[in-house]
Amino acid sequence: AQTVTQSQPEMSVQEAETVTLSCTYDTSESDYYLFWYKQPPSRQMILVIRQEAYKQQNATENRFSVNFQKAAKSFSLKISDSQLGDAAMYFCAYRSMFRDDKIIFGKGTRLHILP
Amino acid sequence: NAGVMQNPRHLVRRRGQEARLRCSPMKGHSHVYWYRQLPEEGLKFMVYLQKENIIDESGMPKERFSAEFPKEGPSILRIQQVVRGDSAAYFCASSPLSRGGPDTQYFGPGTRLTVL
Repeated sequence: AQTVTQSQPEMSVQEAETVTLSCTYDTSESDYYLFWYKQPPSRQMILVIRQEAYKQQNATENRFSVNFQKAAKSFSLKISDSQLGDAAMYFCAYRSMFRDDKIIFGKGTRLHILP
Repeated sequence: NAGVMQNPRHLVRRRGQEARLRCSPMKGHSHVYWYRQLPEEGLKFMVYLQKENIIDESGMPKERFSAEFPKEGPSILRIQQVVRGDSAAYFCASSPLSRGGPDTQYFGPGTRLTVL
């Protein structure tokens, strides 16, 4: 069974600085999707970024980028120029590519932005 | 195009009562997923439905929980005889019919169930 592990329950970063959130996963599949979701206090789940495992290029969305290391099964999220609105829970997640299947979430990292 | 709708947003029930949570997927989406989020935890998959069919219910407790997605109307997650441990946020997500490409799941705002 696939698992997703986020080893940092909480992190803090100074506004305008850069922070990296860690995620590792375990799977025997070769093709899959990886995601980072943001959950602000409103509890709405917001998709931040998505990576297809067959793509070697790391996904980027504005200030958000990932470092995808397939062999190491590592998928970290880098947030550049942190803003107060980035404060939220961040969930790393996995989904099989060949089944219209469930998403498997990590336990999350709570990110605090210090003004 | 309205997003995934869930209602109610907040639901309070006493132990032993029934809870009915509703989810209207995005227009054109025929796949619905239900997830549960316990306090300070990530979301955990419960059940995956297509219209009139349960595809995967491996994450749903065998007793007291049921789900349906009828031909017409919203998907319903039903919890009978609720207990305090059922208190959680329940999220619904929908995705369009698969054509072999990436099928992003879009999440609703969640229903927060509190059992007194």
